[in-house]
Amino acid sequence: GAVVSQHPSWVICKSGTSVKIECRSLDFQATTMFWYRQFPKQSLMLMATSNEGSKATYEQGVEKDKFLINHASLTLSTLTVTSAHPEDSSFYICSARDMAGEMNTEAFFGQGTRLTVV
Amino acid sequence: LAKTTQPISMDSYEGQEVNITCSHNNIATNDYITWYQQFPSQGPRFIIQGYKTKVTNEVASLFIPADRKSSTLSLPRVSLSDTAVYYCLVGSNTGGFKTIFGAGTRLFVKA
Repeated sequence: GAVVSQHPSWVICKSGTSVKIECRSLDFQATTMFWYRQFPKQSLMLMATSNEGSKATYEQGVEKDKFLINHASLTLSTLTVTSAHPEDSSFYICSARDMAGEMNTEAFFGQGTRLTVV
Repeated sequence: LAKTTQPISMDSYEGQEVNITCSHNNIATNDYITWYQQFPSQGPRFIIQGYKTKVTNEVASLFIPADRKSSTLSLPRVSLSDTAVYYCLVGSNTGGFKTIFGAGTRLFVKA
């Protein structure tokens, strides 16, 4: 299957700083990627849809100025958590679909990024 | 997007067959049914996908009745390493391809 890679796998940052998380589709092009966050023992919550070459679409309740998304190429989307606070500590996961592949109804997920804000 | 309902948790023993049923009463004509597995601190991993009847691959089977309002993921002879959360998702290539997760089923396999 297609591979989606996230970097970093984990990051610790100080309160008030910004953190960038990268999501790459390694062997396919992804015009659309999705960003999720997951708190302990909870399900994945969709934050936003990242569209290559255009603005991201944010889900209700997600602050677009807080979570900046850039999808500048067909293989890379970035999520920047700005002015991070301890309550932003979470597991962030991205996914993408290989629309040119046979299983274009399947979403492939990155390994996730554990963000801890201290 | 069709909402899904699954049992919150299930327990099983090694070597047993596990069946997890998911309800999706308002599934649309274009929707597929997809199951994912997630281990702690990892991204979800695709298990199986189907549209109707039965689908089988090397790790699981998916049973979908004719009305498609539910589906059952069957894991044959589970092992301790199958302890994970299993998510049932319903969606299609329309509507922005969003993948919305329900609560999932936490499967605990005991020795």
